Amino acid sequence: GNSVTQMEGPVTLSEEAFLTINCTYTATGYPSLFWYVQYPGEGLQLLLKATKADDKGSNKGFEATYRKETTSFHLEKGSVQVSDSAVYFCAPTSGTYKYIFGTGTRLKVLA
Amino acid sequence: DAGVIQSPRHEVTEMGQEVTLRCKPISGHDYLFWYRQTMMRGLELLIYFNNNVPIDDSGMPEDRFSAKMPNASFSTLKIQPSEPRDSAVYFCASSDPGLFGELFFGEGSRLTVL
Repeated sequence: GNSVTQMEGPVTLSEEAFLTINCTYTATGYPSLFWYVQYPGEGLQLLLKATKADDKGSNKGFEATYRKETTSFHLEKGSVQVSDSAVYFCAPTSGTYKYIFGTGTRLKVLA
Repeated sequence: DAGVIQSPRHEVTEMGQEVTLRCKPISGHDYLFWYRQTMMRGLELLIYFNNNVPIDDSGMPEDRFSAKMPNASFSTLKIQPSEPRDSAVYFCASSDPGLFGELFFGEGSRLTVL
């Protein structure tokens, strides 16, 4: 079955710092890879996705590249803002819709 | 589109009472999912439906939990009787297969069982 390993949080950064949140996964077949973000008091929403190897997903300054050889999908942002404070979830899916979400990585950005 | 709509947003009840959570998926989405989120266990998939039919309920914790989808625009998750350990945020999500599996989540129902 699918599984995902994300770096433990919380991650605390100063505004304009560089962000990396590591994600490695195991999945059957050729999964699509997603990053979801959860702002306080809200449901999860899609941040970015990649559907095949070497694809780069990007949105709102965040990027992640589908690395099949290392089964990784690390999330990066060059300059974080206070408004990026949220919980981030990496989620592979291989068509069975049995997404595996971990506990997520909480990011706190200080002004 | 209005997005996935859940109700109630907050529910406080006493142990032993019946709880019913409701969800309206996005129109046209064939899949509907119920998740539970806690600090200790993260997001857990409880059950999902395809075209109103339950496909996988292996995540339903025990017989006290049941879920139904009587039509394409409505689903319920029921807990009877409720226990304090059921306290969590319950999310409903829907999906369209043409969107590579992207899930659209509702804002969640926060349940507190005293």
